[in-house]
Amino acid sequence: EAQVTQNPRYLITVTGKKLTVTCSQNMNHEYMSWYRQDPGLGLRQIYYSMNVEVTDKGDVPEGYKVSRKEKRNFPLILESPSPNQTSLYFCASSLSWGATTNEKLFFGSGTQLSVL
Amino acid sequence: AQTVTQSQPEMSVQEAETVTLSCTYDTSESDYYLFWYKQPPSRQMILVIRQEAYKQQNATENRFSVNFQKAAKSFSLKISDSQLGDAAMYFCAYRSAWSSGDKLTFGTGTRLAVRP
Repeated sequence: EAQVTQNPRYLITVTGKKLTVTCSQNMNHEYMSWYRQDPGLGLRQIYYSMNVEVTDKGDVPEGYKVSRKEKRNFPLILESPSPNQTSLYFCASSLSWGATTNEKLFFGSGTQLSVL
Repeated sequence: AQTVTQSQPEMSVQEAETVTLSCTYDTSESDYYLFWYKQPPSRQMILVIRQEAYKQQNATENRFSVNFQKAAKSFSLKISDSQLGDAAMYFCAYRSAWSSGDKLTFGTGTRLAVRP
């Protein structure tokens, strides 16, 4: 089954304790991205990647890191989480990107993160 | 930068009735895509309908249809014959045809309740 898999689904941590949220897709997609969802703000893009070893900042990248060493994986790293990073996080992927694409964006099932 | 506005934080509809969710956006671009996503309590992001800006014809998907007014920058979603399973958060989203990556700009969402 074609899917984007995020883990964990729920995570509670404390301020300053490094954590990684994993994201993996089995569709050989080039494009992957991370969003955070906050009440009253909708979803906002954190980082995106257009292919292996190619990543770039989205709208709210502060406090986050990403890596794309393999095509299928795109982990989100919070090296020193703070309470304002408490949010619902989504990973997404699509086959290609750019002006001519009309590819569908596939979303993972979300990770609810609470930073105490 | 593009912005997407959903002015109705909450809406309610009687089962089997019709409801319209509003969305306006601001852009200086002529080529773009617009989307409506549904987010049920499971948190999964489900694509409901998609509209290409160059198409004058309004998109339809079964009971879901849009009223796309390009000059007015308006993109409303009409749900006909509402069902209990339609209860969810609905997000309007914009994607430029020319930006790097498949970034979506989301509105703040409208929570739809369906009364039995």
